[in-house]
This record gives sequence, C-alpha cells and structure tokens, in this order.
Amino acid sequence: EAGVAQSPRYKIIEKRQSVAFWCNPISGHATLYWYQQILGQGPKLLIQFQNNGVVDDSQLPKDRFSAERLKGVDSTLKIQPAKLEDSAVYLCASSDGQQAFFGQGTRLTVV
Amino acid sequence: GQNIDQPTEMTATEGAIVQINCTYQTSGFNGLFWYQQHAGEAPTFLSYNVLDGLEEKGRFSSFLSRSKGYSYLLLKELQMKDSASYLCAVSPNTDKLIFGTGTRLQVFP
Repeated sequence: EAGVAQSPRYKIIEKRQSVAFWCNPISGHATLYWYQQILGQGPKLLIQFQNNGVVDDSQLPKDRFSAERLKGVDSTLKIQPAKLEDSAVYLCASSDGQQAFFGQGTRLTVV
Repeated sequence: GQNIDQPTEMTATEGAIVQINCTYQTSGFNGLFWYQQHAGEAPTFLSYNVLDGLEEKGRFSSFLSRSKGYSYLLLKELQMKDSASYLCAVSPNTDKLIFGTGTRLQVFP
C-alpha cells in the first residue's frame, strides 16, 4: 500500500516570498491533516479536512496560510507571504478513522 | 483548552527499561496514541489505548488511566536504534489528533 506522499522534500525561500506544499493521502482516507513541526517541538495541527470540507482550522494563521483539498483527495498548503518563524517541517497525514499515517514532510527554511 | 505534557528529554542505557510518561487534559477523549519519530523522519505509529490498562506489543507497552489523565510508554531491552523522539497524542473527538511536545530519548551503550 502506498503511503502519504508529499512534495517537495525541502524548500528554501526568502521572507515575504510565497510557497506551496502538496500532499497526496493514502487512497480511501477521508481525513487529512496538515501539521507544522518546529525543531524540537511536537507537531501542531494547522488544519484538518474531512473529505473536502474543513473540520478544524482554528490554529491556521489565516492572514498568510491557506489550504484546500480539491475533490476530497490531494491537498495543497500555501504560505503567502512567508516569515522567518515559518521555518519548520510541514507534515501531512491521513487517517482511516483508526490511525494517522504521516508523509515524510516538507522542510521549509525561510531566510 | 487542550494540554498534553511529557518530559522533554530522557537518557537510558542499552539493554535497560525506560518509562516515558504523558499527562493530558482535553475537552474529550477518544483515544491516546504513541508515535516514534527519528530525527528528520516522519512520526510512525507505535500504540493506541482507548480503554484503561496495559497494551503490550513486543518490546513496547503502553498504559492508560483515563480517570487520572495519564499514560506511559514502556520500552524494554533498549537498543541504540530506539534513540528517537516519542510523541504522545490524544484524540479528543473522532479523528482529531493533538500532540504533546515529544520526549527525546537518547540510548547510550
């Protein structure tokens, strides 16, 4: 069974630039999460989708972050404009209702 | 609010036993998960507890007490490859998953 796919693996951008991350969840998983993990900390939930609807985006900085999940499958997370404090690993996970499976993440460095 | 607490760092010796504690206060409870995360890698699932008691899986066991808002992960016969971060996560309701800060475990020979 294919796992959660994310791209790119690494991204370096300058502050005030924009960036987008892509996630392809495990086939059939209705729930998709985006987490932000700052070095040395646990993952922080940014947004949770159930199919293509948003379940929870209470911790998403909506002035600069946006996410969508078209057709209830793939998802993209965008940051515009980026700040230095956005440097982190962005993890995508999908769930079968029992357990969450994580992708390898995208390591973002904002300089 | 939601609050999940774990020790930041722990050290142990190869072959020993280590217990990593997790306490939580959440608006609801639908289960507690433990994940392992090696440096630079994605978290991988270790265990799931929804009822009180001990769940054993090989060298790893996880315990839950819902009345105390408490769980622990027990690692036996430690190996060098067990050096990693261990993340406690609580599901306060169906499918939502909130993580603690993680415990970084270093195993020494």
